[in-house]
Amino acid sequence: DAKTTQPTSMDCAEGRAANLPCNHSTISGNEYVYWYRQIHSQGPQYIIHGLKNNETNEMASLIITEDRKSSTLILPHATLRDTAVYYCIVRPASGGSYIPTFGRGTSLIVHP
Amino acid sequence: ETGVTQTPRHLVMGMTNKKSLKCEQHLGHNAMYWYKQSAKKPLELMFVYNFKEQTENNSVPSRFSPECPNSSHLFLHLHTLQPEDSALYLCASSQDPGGSYNEQFFGPGTRLTVL
Repeated sequence: DAKTTQPTSMDCAEGRAANLPCNHSTISGNEYVYWYRQIHSQGPQYIIHGLKNNETNEMASLIITEDRKSSTLILPHATLRDTAVYYCIVRPASGGSYIPTFGRGTSLIVHP
Repeated sequence: ETGVTQTPRHLVMGMTNKKSLKCEQHLGHNAMYWYKQSAKKPLELMFVYNFKEQTENNSVPSRFSPECPNSSHLFLHLHTLQPEDSALYLCASSQDPGGSYNEQFFGPGTRLTVL
């Protein structure tokens, strides 16, 4: 059961901002939005997560809409090394055992 | 370097062989996971261990046998595999499966080829 939908692929010019959208229209009030990425043939890497406020760290910014039904991951100055598959996941904030389910994600290609 | 190591990085085995994959995490986490990633497919969860106890077995065939002797080590024992089991096997750890601090840290994976 896919709780998120993402475009299959996107491309971006090196040095420009990459904006990756994610729809999670059935998100519950206690569910966080997580982003991971997977560079070819490597393990996924955690990027960022948020509940309802926008978040920023050294890797990216996460913008969550006020109704929380969608979010955007922003890589402010994309580099060639940002070429990867980006996964958007929703998960409960706490309680019980939860296992993140990785869908097909968005394949981002950063070109020179 | 994520603090999760996996060995070997590459493994080629015949269908009658027995081999083991090893995962070790240096993060003090309590939960460890095995995932399988076949070519052009999403990650598939195989097993979850929390405090050394198996809490998830995602209908994995018995030719895959996990072992978690302590919270830092996780093994995947392989025997009589099939060619369709060829895939990237990923290990991950997290502080615990539930709770607010649940980002997973993944190892580099073992690329398995079954001949």
